[in-house]
Amino acid sequence: GQNIDQPTEMTATEGAIVQINCTYQTSGFNGLFWYQQHAGEAPTFLSYNVLDGLEEKGRFSSFLSRSKGYSYLLLKELQMKDSASYLCAVVDSNYQLIWGAGTKLIIKP
Amino acid sequence: NAGVTQTPKFQVLKTGQSMTLQCAQDMNHEYMSWYRQDPGMGLRLIHYSVGAGITDQGEVPNGYNVSRSTTEDFPLRLLSAAPSQTSVYFCASSPGGEGVSQPQHFGDGTRLSIL
Repeated sequence: GQNIDQPTEMTATEGAIVQINCTYQTSGFNGLFWYQQHAGEAPTFLSYNVLDGLEEKGRFSSFLSRSKGYSYLLLKELQMKDSASYLCAVVDSNYQLIWGAGTKLIIKP
Repeated sequence: NAGVTQTPKFQVLKTGQSMTLQCAQDMNHEYMSWYRQDPGMGLRLIHYSVGAGITDQGEVPNGYNVSRSTTEDFPLRLLSAAPSQTSVYFCASSPGGEGVSQPQHFGDGTRLSIL
């Protein structure tokens, strides 16, 4: 079966750095997305990785290792508005999106 | 820009009733999809469409129908509502080609309760 694992919940302090991990086992791989979802709202796109390595976009960075079936989202200089769920999704060999259950990130002052 | 518009935002139904969730996008996107989101689970694909006149089943299609008569609209029909269909429903769209390899644009969701 296809599986994406993310921690259910993480807590971090305002101004700190947090890394949210995602491991996947899918039938093929054609890219990995990270989305942010605030409570009661729609998911919004953060990043897309298809090649190994680190993609940096402002305070957010995303890393991919295809050989390890592993990605992480790195959030720097955390702000209270970063409190949200972070969803990892993999594009499989049939170009279908497989979604993780999401990681709820709680930011404390 | 409106993006992806879903209506209604909230709906309560009785078991056995039918209804249509509306989804419209104004970005000329070829790929459109419907997901349901339940607590503790990832988004699950119900149906999707790669262009007008073409639809296909996703992971959890039972109890739902879709049609795609135009590029803009992709309604989701619940045929006979069941309590297990209580969920938050999201419509999403992305540009043509390999649609899912491009970022999805989501509507605000429809919160549906079946009594």
